[in-house]
Amino acid sequence: QKEVEQNSGPLSVPEGAIASLNCTYSDRGSQSFFWYRQYSGKSPELIMSIYSNGDKEDGRFTAQLNKASQYVSLLIRDSQPSDSATYLCAVKRDFGNEKLTFGTGTRLTIIP
Amino acid sequence: DAGVIQSPRHEVTEMGQEVTLRCKPISGHDYLFWYRQTMMRGLELLIYFNNNVPIDDSGMPEDRFSAKMPNASFSTLKIQPSEPRDSAVYFCASSSYRDKYNSPLHFGNGTRLTVT
Repeated sequence: QKEVEQNSGPLSVPEGAIASLNCTYSDRGSQSFFWYRQYSGKSPELIMSIYSNGDKEDGRFTAQLNKASQYVSLLIRDSQPSDSATYLCAVKRDFGNEKLTFGTGTRLTIIP
Repeated sequence: DAGVIQSPRHEVTEMGQEVTLRCKPISGHDYLFWYRQTMMRGLELLIYFNNNVPIDDSGMPEDRFSAKMPNASFSTLKIQPSEPRDSAVYFCASSSYRDKYNSPLHFGNGTRLTVT
């Protein structure tokens, strides 16, 4: 079992709709969870981080965490063509251990 | 701030040759990471340093790979001898452990390595 699993996609969403990206992780001791966005040919950039169960909102982005189910998701509201990218889920085991484990990413395409 | 600087951007070499990738982290950052990205395996952590000291090198694939950080502003990743399966994009990233909740990784632009 992979440590961090994501559906590779591609996921196609009409412009203006909600894009839902999902991630599961195997290490129940994980404490910190991150979503990175990577445009084709570019380096990953941090979108959001979440540490507690529940939802965290930042503009059009909402991260959701359920530690009991070992599940993290990212919702993108009012999807724009500029949101087309690969979204990487990343997990850190515990504070003080800076090792960040990434999923293989979900490729998202927003259709105008 | 100039961000994390990697060189070269592209490297094409023949199997058996030595390859050296270079990284300058963001000034003041105390963590430095080397990742490798391929389509099949995604982003894999190779090694990371804290205050120039290697902390976890469990991701280094084999003895052909070595990494050094002689000072706070410079790190190298060396592959000797290189093999075609080493072809990938190699990212360097740095972070600052400001508090236990907020230490995002800042990635460089990557080095695309092709071994023929």
